[in-house]
Amino acid sequence: NAGVMQNPRHLVRRRGQEARLRCSPMKGHSHVYWYRQLPEEGLKFMVYLQKENIIDESGMPKERFSAEFPKEGPSILRIQQVVRGDSAAYFCASSPGQGLSGNTIYFGEGSWLTVV
Amino acid sequence: AQSVTQLGSHVSVSEGALVLLRCNYSSSVPPYLFWYVQYPNQGLQLLLKYTSAATLVKGINGFEAEFKKSETSFHLTKPSAHMSDAAEYFCAVSVGKAAGNKLTFGGGTRVLVKP
Repeated sequence: NAGVMQNPRHLVRRRGQEARLRCSPMKGHSHVYWYRQLPEEGLKFMVYLQKENIIDESGMPKERFSAEFPKEGPSILRIQQVVRGDSAAYFCASSPGQGLSGNTIYFGEGSWLTVV
Repeated sequence: AQSVTQLGSHVSVSEGALVLLRCNYSSSVPPYLFWYVQYPNQGLQLLLKYTSAATLVKGINGFEAEFKKSETSFHLTKPSAHMSDAAEYFCAVSVGKAAGNKLTFGGGTRVLVKP
């Protein structure tokens, strides 16, 4: 059973470009979460999605960031017009069932974004 | 809102010595608590979790943690450190069924194991 798959693992973008990060949840999981880890910091929640629905986006920056989890295909975190401060590791996680607190969530290997 | 505090951003232990990583949480409702480990340039791996069953939770790789409600703590321990335990450890909390699995993380503790 494959784990949470993220790609690309490493991405370099120039300031002003767009970054797209993809996440395929574990098989059978319908809940996806995105977290951001800035250098020397812990993980910060960004957004929680189910298929075709954004459930909680309270951690998403108000501008330039968006996320989707379509009916078919991976979840995508999109960052428009990237700036140096967007350089971070972006982790996707997934969970089974009804997404209840206490259910284990499984993390992917992360996508490291570097903005130059 | 819930929060997590990990005391000590860096901990150095000798191989074979006790590992103790401290985690305190704040929550107005009974929490679910987790410890994750992160090796360099990798994702997070679940070590153990507390979900209101036994207060002493055993996890993988010889780690365990004890939930103490009176102290609002969930400290992680391992009796004898191994070189392979060198990594960063994160304590996390989630509360309430409606919250889904939205985790709030502590700042992390980086463990260095000396031979």
